[in-house]
Amino acid sequence: QKEVEQDPGPLSVPEGAIVSLNCTYSNSAFQYFMWYRQYSRKGPELLMYTYSSGNKEDGRFTAQVDKSSKYISLFIRDSQPSDSATYLCAMSRSNTGNQFYFGTGTSLTVIP
Amino acid sequence: NAGVTQTPKFQVLKTGQSMTLQCAQDMNHNSMYWYRQDPGMGLRLIYYSASEGTTDKGEVPNGYNVSRLNKREFSLRLESAAPSQTSVYFCASSEIGTSSSYEQYFGPGTRLTVT
Repeated sequence: QKEVEQDPGPLSVPEGAIVSLNCTYSNSAFQYFMWYRQYSRKGPELLMYTYSSGNKEDGRFTAQVDKSSKYISLFIRDSQPSDSATYLCAMSRSNTGNQFYFGTGTSLTVIP
Repeated sequence: NAGVTQTPKFQVLKTGQSMTLQCAQDMNHNSMYWYRQDPGMGLRLIYYSASEGTTDKGEVPNGYNVSRLNKREFSLRLESAAPSQTSVYFCASSEIGTSSSYEQYFGPGTRLTVT
């Protein structure tokens, strides 16, 4: 079983829709949860970060962590064509940070 | 401030050939990483270097060697390339032990094909 599971999609939504992206994990020791965005033929870039359980909001993006269910989510409100990318979840046990575990990524297309 | 740079951007090798992928960062980060990204497999850690002078194996180290040349540079070497090493390779860096150590900065990637 992989440490982190993520539905690869692809996901296609109309502009303005609310998008929900999700990951599940098996290791209860994970405490740091990240979402990266990767445009085609580019390196990933950090989008959101959450420590432990709870919600975090940044503009149109909201990250949620439910440690009891080992489930994390990223919500995108009022989705835009510029949000079309692959979204990767990542997590680690500590901020000494020598091991990050990534999901396989979900490909999102927002149609104008 | 270029961030993380990687060379080359593209490479085609024949089976058995060797090559070195170069990575440099100008953010004064202490930790650096090499990942490979394959369809359906996500990003997998090959090697990492927590600080200058140290290197450790990640999830998929077989067939690779690394050198942390100095604080800025971290190279990945394929001694005898195999078709299974066809992949996109990403270098990353982060500042471990600080409030932002969860954030990794990635380079643009090297697309390697082994025939």
